Amino acid sequence: RKEVEQDPGPFNVPEGATVAFNCTYSNSASQSFFWYRQDCRKEPKLLMSVYSSGNEDGRFTAQLNRASQYISLLIRDSKLSDSATYLCVVNSGGGSQGNLIFGKGTKLSVKP
Amino acid sequence: SAVISQKPSRDICQRGTSLTIQCQVDSQVTMMFWYRQQPGQSLTLIATANQGSEATYESGFVIDKFPISRPNLTFSTLTVSNMSPEDSSIYLCSVVGVRDRQFFGPGTRLTVL
Repeated sequence: RKEVEQDPGPFNVPEGATVAFNCTYSNSASQSFFWYRQDCRKEPKLLMSVYSSGNEDGRFTAQLNRASQYISLLIRDSKLSDSATYLCVVNSGGGSQGNLIFGKGTKLSVKP
Repeated sequence: SAVISQKPSRDICQRGTSLTIQCQVDSQVTMMFWYRQQPGQSLTLIATANQGSEATYESGFVIDKFPISRPNLTFSTLTVSNMSPEDSSIYLCSVVGVRDRQFFGPGTRLTVL
């Protein structure tokens, strides 16, 4: 089983749609969870951390289910500018601060 | 978040040569990392650049191929040695902020002919 698995997409949605991305991770010792956004030919940028209680930042909602080792990202009222690849990221656990494991990403394309 | 710059932003190199990539951060950071992103793939950690000691390499990466320097808390270099076309990739440095959040430099796009 891969360490972090995501549906590669692409997800092609119209403006204003709601879209959800899912991610599973294999290391039950992981303690930190993130969604990053990567635009074409750019570096990944942190979109949001994911907390156990779930968290929201504007149109973006992230949820974590530790029992199922599952993370989700919901984007409401999608904009053209949301088109990017969304990377699910977890740390490797065991107290390691830096070792992040990246999923391959889910590509989102928002159309007018 | 820290401001991170990398040099060069891109390069085209001949096989068998070496390239040194620089990473500069605008503030002192304890932990710096080097990642590789091969075409169509996600990021893979190469090594942790430790200040004052040897870098810590991940499985599949060795010091002879990817020597790393970390002379102070704001700067690091990664050298890609004896390059082959398989080394064509984007190389990114990153630093850790609060709560394990990592911030990336703009990357160095390397093409090996």
